[in-house]
Amino acid sequence: DAGVIQSPRHEVTEMGQEVTLRCKPISGHNSLFWYRQTMMRGLELLIYFNNNVPIDDSGMPEDRFSAKMPNASFSTLKIQPSEPRDSAVYFCASSASGGLNGAQYFGPGTRLTVL
Amino acid sequence: SQQGEEDPQALSIQEGENATMNCSYKTSINNLQWYRQNSGRGLVHLILIRSNEREKHSGRLRVTLDTSKKSSSLLITASRAADTASYFCAGNFNKFYFGSGTKLNVKP
Repeated sequence: DAGVIQSPRHEVTEMGQEVTLRCKPISGHNSLFWYRQTMMRGLELLIYFNNNVPIDDSGMPEDRFSAKMPNASFSTLKIQPSEPRDSAVYFCASSASGGLNGAQYFGPGTRLTVL
Repeated sequence: SQQGEEDPQALSIQEGENATMNCSYKTSINNLQWYRQNSGRGLVHLILIRSNEREKHSGRLRVTLDTSKKSSSLLITASRAADTASYFCAGNFNKFYFGSGTKLNVKP
C-alpha cells in the first residue's frame, strides 16, 4: 500500500514568492494533519481536518498560511508570501481513527528553504 | 512550550544494551503515543497506550504509563544499530503535541 505522499520533496524559493505544498493521504483515512518541524520549535501541529473539514487551525502561524482539503484524497498547504523564517520541514500525516486519538502515518516531508 | 518533554535529550549505548526514554506531560490525556524518526525522514508510529492501560508491549518495545505521575517510558530491549533515531512521545493534550524528542545512538 502506498503511504502518505507529499510533493515536492524539496522546495527552494525566494522571499515573497507563493509556495504550495501537496499531500495525498492514505486511502480510507479520514483525518489529515499538517505539521512543521524546525530545530528551534520542534514539531508543531499547524492544522488538521476530519472528513475534509478543518477542525483546528489554531497552529497556523499567520494569515500568510492557508490549507485546503477539497476532497478525501488531496490537501494543500499554501504560504503566501513566503518569508525566510518559514524555512522548515513540513509533514503531512493521516489517520484512520478520526481526530487526535489514533495513530498517525506521516509522509516523507517537504523541506522548504526560503531565501 | 512543549506539553511533552522527553528525558534524556540524547542517549548513546552499545548494541545489545537496553535503552530507556522517559516522557513527562502536564495535562490529562486520552492516550499517549510513541514515534520514531530516522534522520531526514518522516515519523513512524511505534505504539499507542491508552490512559486506562499501564503497560504495553510490541516486539522489543515496552511502554509504561503512570497517569498519576503524568509520565511514560519507552524501553527498547537488545538494541540494534538500526534503532538509532529520535524518539518522540505525543499526546492529545487538548491539542496534539509532540515532545522534544530523545536522540538515541546505538553503537555497533
